Amino acid sequence: KQEVTQIPAALSVPEGENLVLNCSFTDSAIYNLQWFRQDPGKGLTSLLLIQSSQREQTSGRLNASLDKSSGRSTLYIAASQPGDSATYLCAVSNTGNQFYFGTGTSLTVIP
Amino acid sequence: ETGVTQSPTHLIKTRGQQVTLRCSSQSGHNTVSWYQQALGQGPQFIFQYYREEENGRGNFPPRFSGLQFPNYSSELNVNALELDDSALYLCASSLAIRDEQFFGPGTRLTVL
Repeated sequence: KQEVTQIPAALSVPEGENLVLNCSFTDSAIYNLQWFRQDPGKGLTSLLLIQSSQREQTSGRLNASLDKSSGRSTLYIAASQPGDSATYLCAVSNTGNQFYFGTGTSLTVIP
Repeated sequence: ETGVTQSPTHLIKTRGQQVTLRCSSQSGHNTVSWYQQALGQGPQFIFQYYREEENGRGNFPPRFSGLQFPNYSSELNVNALELDDSALYLCASSLAIRDEQFFGPGTRLTVL
C-alpha cells in the first residue's frame, strides 16, 4: 500500500524567505503527483500537478519537482508572504485510480 | 465556469442515523472522488465514480455508498453513523480518471 510522508509537520518562517516542503512516497509506480494548499476548515486548492514523466512544474512563485526513482517530491516557495500561510498537502496517484495523501505541512509566514 | 460545490456545509447527526451528502462536479468533469478528512489528518480516499459507475474504493465499510447521476453530480450516503464518522467530507472532480483533481469546500459532519 502506498504511504506518503511529509516533513516537516510544521514550519514557521519570516516573510520574504524562500522555503522547501518535502514529500516522500513508498511506491514509485505513480501516475502523477499533485500539491494542494488547505486553509483551516476549508477544501483543497490545487497548486501544481506533475505527471510521472515530468521532472518539475512551475506556477508563479511555486516550483514542484519530482524524483520518482527516489520516491520524493519537493515544493519550493520563493519570497514567502503571510498569505502563503496554510497547510500544504501532497497526493500521489498510482495506477489504481486512487490518490494517497500525506498529513501535510502547516506553514506560518511571519510578517 | 462553476467550480465544485457541496451541500450542506455543516451537518449534525446522532449515532445510528443515516446521512446523504451532495456534490456537483465542475463543468465538463465526468469523474468524482470522495474523501474523508479527520482533524489533523490528510484526506482518505473513499471511492471514485466515473460515468455513473464505481471505479475504485478505499478501505471503507459497505455502509459508505455512493451514486453518480447522468449530469455527473454525486451523492455520498453513510448508514448507521458512528462517532468516528465525524469528519470533513470532500468531493473532488476531474476531467478524466487520474487527471488533476479540483476539490469542493467540503461538508463538516458531526456525529453525536
